[in-house]
Amino acid sequence: QITLKESGPTLVKPTQTLTLTCTFSGFSLSTSGVGVGWIRQPPGKALEWLALIYWDDDQRYSPSLKTRLTITKDTSKNQVVLAMTNVDPVDTATYYCAHLERLVPSAVLYFDYWGQGTLVTVSS
Amino acid sequence: QSVLTQPPSVSEAPRQRVTISCSGSSSNIGHNAVNWYQQLPGKAPKLLIYYDGLLPSGVSDRFSGSKSGTSASLAISGLQSEDEADYYCATWDDSLNGPIFGGGTKLTVL
Repeated sequence: QITLKESGPTLVKPTQTLTLTCTFSGFSLSTSGVGVGWIRQPPGKALEWLALIYWDDDQRYSPSLKTRLTITKDTSKNQVVLAMTNVDPVDTATYYCAHLERLVPSAVLYFDYWGQGTLVTVSS
Repeated sequence: QSVLTQPPSVSEAPRQRVTISCSGSSSNIGHNAVNWYQQLPGKAPKLLIYYDGLLPSGVSDRFSGSKSGTSASLAISGLQSEDEADYYCATWDDSLNGPIFGGGTKLTVL
């Protein structure tokens, strides 16, 4: 079965770079059509999509955060890494990674498996 | 402020039926499939409905989804206390070239 787990620091200082790792099992990011996304949720607020990476290394970013985000994959380790530069207290949130499923032939996309999330606090 | 508009909260009595709306535009709901997620308190979101109205394996058929034009709805029948959660609609946005989520709706079972 598909599982994902986020890891990284729980506390980051303002202006620092936050690096989060998503380690997954049950699928391969070298399989055509597969993707992994990052989504975050500030305390008491809604979900916000951050970034996506596909099996062919195509990367997509939320326009509002594009200049601060980098998403990469290590297929051999079954990992996806998200880096966010110049963090601010407003970036305090639970960060989730999720498996992106693509239906064939409709090409409908949805996140079908989610990690448990990791709470990151940005504070000096 | 989310591109997809949901009511902040809904409430209904046990065993009754409730619907949650999700309003978007031609660049998102009007052109792409809608998915729904259930987030129980303190838990990660869980896929509830995909492709407008399909249920993933293991999801109760008390849940149903529909879409018309640039709006979608989630219906929950036979409400149970365990249905108390936040519900999010989501779809793809062609302008963003990425997924978007609604602001979430908190369901209270009275």
